[in-house]
Amino acid sequence: GDSVTQMEGPVTLSEEAFLTINCTYTATGYPSLFWYVQYPGEGLQLLLKATKADDKGSNKGFEATYRKETTSFHLEKGSVQVSDSAVYFCALSDRNDYKLSFGAGTTVTVRA
Amino acid sequence: DAGITQSPRHKVTETGTPVTLRCHQTENHRYMYWYRQDPGHGLRLIHYSYGVKDTDKGEVSDGYSVSRSKTEDFLLTLESATSSQTSVYFCAIGSSGSTETQYFGPGTRLLVL
Repeated sequence: GDSVTQMEGPVTLSEEAFLTINCTYTATGYPSLFWYVQYPGEGLQLLLKATKADDKGSNKGFEATYRKETTSFHLEKGSVQVSDSAVYFCALSDRNDYKLSFGAGTTVTVRA
Repeated sequence: DAGITQSPRHKVTETGTPVTLRCHQTENHRYMYWYRQDPGHGLRLIHYSYGVKDTDKGEVSDGYSVSRSKTEDFLLTLESATSSQTSVYFCAIGSSGSTETQYFGPGTRLLVL
């Protein structure tokens, strides 16, 4: 079945540091890929998505590129802020059934 | 923010009692989902619905049932709650297609003693 593996946390960074969260996937079909973010005490919000190979999703300074050859969708941000402290989830949606499969989540803490 | 509400937001119950969680949407989206969130597991799909009275199981459906009698409401029932069902439950909605975004509700924190 479909699955998502993302780097384990927690990750602690200083403000203005570079952030990378690795995500790889296994899928039988040709999935869409997503990054969701969960701020403390809240539900999940879509951060960005990509629906085909080589697409780059971007939002709020975050970027991720759909790499079909390496089955990866790594999340990056060049200069993090304290407000980026959250849990980040990589997810995929198989085109056949509209269900999301999530990674375990990576907790990111940014210190001033 | 998408119009999704969940009730109750917090609940404490005892083992063996029935519990019903409600998800209500004002977006008229066709698809509705129930997930549970547990440390180390991310979110796991419990049940989902692709229309009124049309539901199907997710990967962790044992011990749960759902009903959808109206487009806007999706109910999750724990027939006889167990401590292993202590979790945070999220409802999500989606309009159509696997490329479409799912929008999540604020969550219900359930503690089964």
